[in-house]
Amino acid sequence: NAGVTQTPKFRVLKTGQSMTLLCAQDMNHEYMYWYRQDPGMGLRLIHYSVGEGTTAKGEVPDGYNVSRLKKQNFLLGLESAAPSQTSVYFCASTDPGQGNSPLHFGNGTRLTVT
Amino acid sequence: DQQVKQNSPSLSVQEGRISILNCDYTNSMFDYFLWYKKYPAEGPTFLISISSIKDKNEDGRFTVFLNKSAKHLSLHIVPSQPGDSAVYFCAASARSSASKIIFGSGTRLSIRP
Repeated sequence: NAGVTQTPKFRVLKTGQSMTLLCAQDMNHEYMYWYRQDPGMGLRLIHYSVGEGTTAKGEVPDGYNVSRLKKQNFLLGLESAAPSQTSVYFCASTDPGQGNSPLHFGNGTRLTVT
Repeated sequence: DQQVKQNSPSLSVQEGRISILNCDYTNSMFDYFLWYKKYPAEGPTFLISISSIKDKNEDGRFTVFLNKSAKHLSLHIVPSQPGDSAVYFCAASARSSASKIIFGSGTRLSIRP
């Protein structure tokens, strides 16, 4: 049972380059999330999705775009990377049908922008 | 404006003693609270939760206390074990927007022998 899988695990970008982070879950969860973790800032919500074809902004959405074309996948895009986007990115999912069920997290993508 | 605050970045506790991690929140709409544990190079994992209709929830060595009037919750670990050394995140959500889950900045707990 894979749970939540994030690819890639590591990436180094130059300022201005673009990339897409992929998150896949095999638990048939309705809700999916992208967080970033920075020292002293904890986990901050970037964007989230409450179902296929829907997305919403979180706490720190600027500079990122997301898409949820398939229920099992949630993509996070950086169109023009900036050094301030150097961070560890975590994807998570949960199923609202199970009441207040907790988030299931992937193992993260470490992104460095030079 | 941080809605969920963990004011202690780090905590060191002797093995066998009680660890107490604190969390404060500002949004009175929050009615569900969770604690997550995170080891290096891994994603956070769920530890324990509490609904606002309760003031205490216990699961083995872990107990979470909620003080709604003070907008404060705490996680107690007793007895503390070496494997408890990790970063602990407090999180909160509101039933009105159950999809939006907000995390605190985390507390790094170190259990010393």
